[in-house]
Amino acid sequence: DAGVIQSPRHEVTEMGQEVTLRCKPISGHDYLFWYRQTMMRGLELLIYFNNNVPIDDSGMPEDRFSAKMPNASFSTLKIQPSEPRDSAVYFCASSPQSAGNSNQPQHFGDGTRLSIL
Amino acid sequence: GNSVTQMEGPVTLSEEAFLTINCTYTATGYPSLFWYVQYPGEGLQLLLKATKADDKGSNKGFEATYRKETTSFHLEKGSVQVSDSAVYFCALNTNAGKSTFGDGTTLTVKP
Repeated sequence: DAGVIQSPRHEVTEMGQEVTLRCKPISGHDYLFWYRQTMMRGLELLIYFNNNVPIDDSGMPEDRFSAKMPNASFSTLKIQPSEPRDSAVYFCASSPQSAGNSNQPQHFGDGTRLSIL
Repeated sequence: GNSVTQMEGPVTLSEEAFLTINCTYTATGYPSLFWYVQYPGEGLQLLLKATKADDKGSNKGFEATYRKETTSFHLEKGSVQVSDSAVYFCALNTNAGKSTFGDGTTLTVKP
């Protein structure tokens, strides 16, 4: 089975540029999560969707960050304009968990390593 | 709110040593509990889980028992290998949809 697919795996860009990270969840999973991981802050939940609808975006650091899920098989995380402090590994995860069923794990992609110069 | 507290790392062991990584949690309701492992350059992957009190999850020689009375889910392995070097995360799910993760514990196993 194909797992969660993220692209690109690595991105290096200059400060001020727009960055778009992409995620394809596992087919049939109705939850999708975006995380950021850094040495200083560890693993942070940025936003999550249920059935393509954003449920909680309280972890999005600022207005420069936005996320969309136009359909069940695709999501994007966009940073505009990017800053050096946005450098991190960004993970997408999906889960088949539905309301009332908490015993399903999350399935993570291999992440996008983002460097903002 | 929900929270997960993990034993602080890093943890360094010699090959074939016994491993324990402590995890305690606070949650409303009856959560499911998980251990994830993250190898360098990869995403987190499920190691084991337990969905109700007294359940024992096990995988690849690792074990953890869901202890409701002590709100704990400690990870153990009887004999670690160099290939077990990774970051280990304890996590819980409730019915709210999202997971709550601990801060992660880095394990290094030396030959």
